[in-house]
Amino acid sequence: AQRVTQPEKLLSVFKGAPVELKCNYSYSGSPELFWYVQYSRQRLQLLLRHISRESIKGFTADLNKGETSFHLKKPFAQEEDSAMYYCALRFAGNLIFGKGTKLSVKP
Amino acid sequence: DTAVSQTPKYLVTQMGNDKSIKCEQNLGHDTMYWYKQDSKKFLKIMFSYNNKELIINETVPNRFSPKSPDKAHLNLHINSLELGDSAVYFCASSLIAGDYGYTFGSGTRLTVV
Repeated sequence: AQRVTQPEKLLSVFKGAPVELKCNYSYSGSPELFWYVQYSRQRLQLLLRHISRESIKGFTADLNKGETSFHLKKPFAQEEDSAMYYCALRFAGNLIFGKGTKLSVKP
Repeated sequence: DTAVSQTPKYLVTQMGNDKSIKCEQNLGHDTMYWYKQDSKKFLKIMFSYNNKELIINETVPNRFSPKSPDKAHLNLHINSLELGDSAVYFCASSLIAGDYGYTFGSGTRLTVV
């Protein structure tokens, strides 16, 4: 079955420290993966798509098919990065979300 | 110009009432969705509509019914509200053949008392 796993419910780092938000997926086909971010009490916003290999707000994510992972990384965290981050897999036109990781960046 | 708009933003109602949440998108997308975000921030899809046809219907109670008058609107009707229905409901839209993911509305915080 298709599944997205985000093992960390909460990740707390200090400002300027590197950040890695983990995401693993289970899917037998060729995956379409996304990262969404939700700032406090706001709508979910698309952060990254694996297909575009872009860097947004300093975040990058690389698809590793061998490890079935799509971890989100940023070399130097900022306080404004504090938010909920969701990894998502697109399957049959539907987005399946992981349970989310709350990132807290302390000053 | 809001791409996906939901109304109301907040809804407080008593158990047993019937309520509706409206959603409209002006992106020209062909598919719209409703997601429920519970108190633990888990996101679960409830429905999706493509060209006025329901294409996904997860195991949600039949008290919940989506209504799509046209492809720019997908409203959510809830009958006989229960305490457990309290959550944030997000509407979203996408192009079924596109690779840009979804565009979400700002959410409706439903509180059943």
